[in-house]
Amino acid sequence: EADIYQTPRYLVIGTGKKITLECSQTMGHDKMYWYQQDPGMELHLIHYSYGVNSTEKGDLSSESTVSRIRTEHFPLTLESARPSHTSQYLCASSEPNQGARGGYTFGSGTRLTVV
Amino acid sequence: LAKTTQPISMDSYEGQEVNITCSHNNIATNDYITWYQQFPSQGPRFIIQGYKTKVTNEVASLFIPADRKSSTLSLPRVSLSDTAVYYCLVGGMDTGRRALTFGSGTRLQVQP
Repeated sequence: EADIYQTPRYLVIGTGKKITLECSQTMGHDKMYWYQQDPGMELHLIHYSYGVNSTEKGDLSSESTVSRIRTEHFPLTLESARPSHTSQYLCASSEPNQGARGGYTFGSGTRLTVV
Repeated sequence: LAKTTQPISMDSYEGQEVNITCSHNNIATNDYITWYQQFPSQGPRFIIQGYKTKVTNEVASLFIPADRKSSTLSLPRVSLSDTAVYYCLVGGMDTGRRALTFGSGTRLQVQP
């Protein structure tokens, strides 16, 4: 059973639409992350947060934005979706010491297709 | 930041023990070793984490030699459902990084 939830699971949307991918966790973790992964490829960190009102960009440049108004909620938004945004988006969280050690809990992901 | 090297792929048969080795020659004193399993279209799932010697849980064992420059994930008696990509991560409190990088992983294919 997952303690971190992502919705929607799959999304097909037209070019130019604004979308928000939802991520919520019930573990009270301060640290949360967004990764992007193309099929068969590596995971790339695109956003992370140390806590409420804290957001930073990750290693891979992304046109998406994130917000962290509540501890349990870390949504990702694309203001104008493009076909190049087609990918799988994975949300994760970690306990305080585990963020650096590598102990993450991942959601099931949102597979986004922009047509 | 410790760089990890894993085999790109491995093949096995049901019922066999599978050992996947990860090299991390420049592992730091405070670094931990963590392994994940990922199925297609799913998020990675934490398998096991260790610092030294041997760690065992209900699904796998992790062997870490004294010099800690490598580690081996051991999956006993694999089944078809163990077909997945396995990632080795190395990091600790001194990395100063926001989050660890997942490499290419090892694609394990289990045959009947």
